[in-house]
Amino acid sequence: DAKTTQPNSMESNEEEPVHLPCNHSTISGTDYIHWYRQLPSQGPEYVIHGLTSNVNNRMASLAIAEDRKSSTLILHRATLRDAAVYYCILRDVGSGNTPLVFGKGTRLSVIA
Amino acid sequence: EAQVTQNPRYLITVTGKKLTVTCSQNMNHEYMSWYRQDPGLGLRQIYYSMNVEVTDKGDVPEGYKVSRKEKRNFPLILESPSPNQTSLYFCASSSLITRTDTQYFGPGTRLTVL
Repeated sequence: DAKTTQPNSMESNEEEPVHLPCNHSTISGTDYIHWYRQLPSQGPEYVIHGLTSNVNNRMASLAIAEDRKSSTLILHRATLRDAAVYYCILRDVGSGNTPLVFGKGTRLSVIA
Repeated sequence: EAQVTQNPRYLITVTGKKLTVTCSQNMNHEYMSWYRQDPGLGLRQIYYSMNVEVTDKGDVPEGYKVSRKEKRNFPLILESPSPNQTSLYFCASSSLITRTDTQYFGPGTRLTVL
């Protein structure tokens, strides 16, 4: 899987939007961009994924740059429950039998 | 509710005493795997299974065994646990048919080997 780069940590105020960046300059044309998060004392949790177009679901939005070399996970209104480590992971299509490679991720702190 | 369950959630044991950590999923997923998470090392895959009776080693399989006799269950077996297997363990599953590649993780099992 291609490498991703994320900031080590970010901080947000509660009820405000959060933009979590991820750089993946070596992304290939068949790599999907996946985001997972891990809340304290819990297992990783799928958040969202996309290929080229921006994606929205009930948890978040994923904005993908036109050249696909970067992406941004957007939490529209951060809550205390969103405090977690967020991982940006590239997965080639058809790599379902290979392990997820979690980097260090971004530790998001949410301030009340 | 779609979920992956693990038992026990917490376990303290002694060196050499065989133990099994169970994992079960109710989503009819073909793919199941075990990870361990250690500070500074992230999540590392121990074993995985692509279907019933099909298992293979991940990155850190030494000291572990698995079996996949039924599609929903994927137990992790430590025949002779040692202190270096003290860790947080996660089971995960995903569908190989839908190809969405979303992995669902269990809540984790914190194992301490004395």
